[in-house]
Amino acid sequence: ELKVEQNPLFLSMQEGKNYTIYCNYSTTSDRLYWYRQDPGKSLESLFVLLSNGAVKQEGRLMASLDTKARLSTLHITAAVHDLSATYFCAVTLQKLVFGKGTKLTVNP
Amino acid sequence: DVKVTQSSRYLVKRTGEKVFLECVQDMDHENMFWYRQDPGLGLRLIYFSYDVKMKEKGDIPEGYSVSREKKERFSLILESASTNQTSMYLCASSPTGTSGSLHPYEQYFGPGTRLTVT
Repeated sequence: ELKVEQNPLFLSMQEGKNYTIYCNYSTTSDRLYWYRQDPGKSLESLFVLLSNGAVKQEGRLMASLDTKARLSTLHITAAVHDLSATYFCAVTLQKLVFGKGTKLTVNP
Repeated sequence: DVKVTQSSRYLVKRTGEKVFLECVQDMDHENMFWYRQDPGLGLRLIYFSYDVKMKEKGDIPEGYSVSREKKERFSLILESASTNQTSMYLCASSPTGTSGSLHPYEQYFGPGTRLTVT
């Protein structure tokens, strides 16, 4: 059974700081997704990582994938308040299995 | 742009009522999914469908059924709503690997329906 674990589950950080969210998964997969969810809203796709060593960047967010370690990271650079949201990673074996999400709060 | 729509954003129903939640996608995707999302539990898959009239149980199908009569529409049915079904319900769709999509299996989500059962 595929299990996906994210940590931390809650993250409070100051504006301007850097931090990393981790996503570990239990079974080999070469496809990993990161989603963002704002309070009361649905999930929005951020990144699709398709191969070992893949790195994608959008603004202050950078995601990477290490399929050998079964690990993806979402790195936040110089956080701003607008990044406050819950971030989910998800791994697919025909269907998506989601981590529990990391609730990020960026404080002024 | 992929569009997934859900019939209601907010719904309040009484215990024992039959509840229909509808989801429509406009991208000709083969796969459609229903999830529920609860605090601390993340997203849990209720049912999914990979073709018209086909359905598969997800992780928590008890108390739910689904219907997919047309490719673009996937309905979630609560036969007799109970208070423990109060939740946010999210519908999603995705293409398959054979569809030629650059990102097969990437799921596109609807806005969600917040259901309260009293």
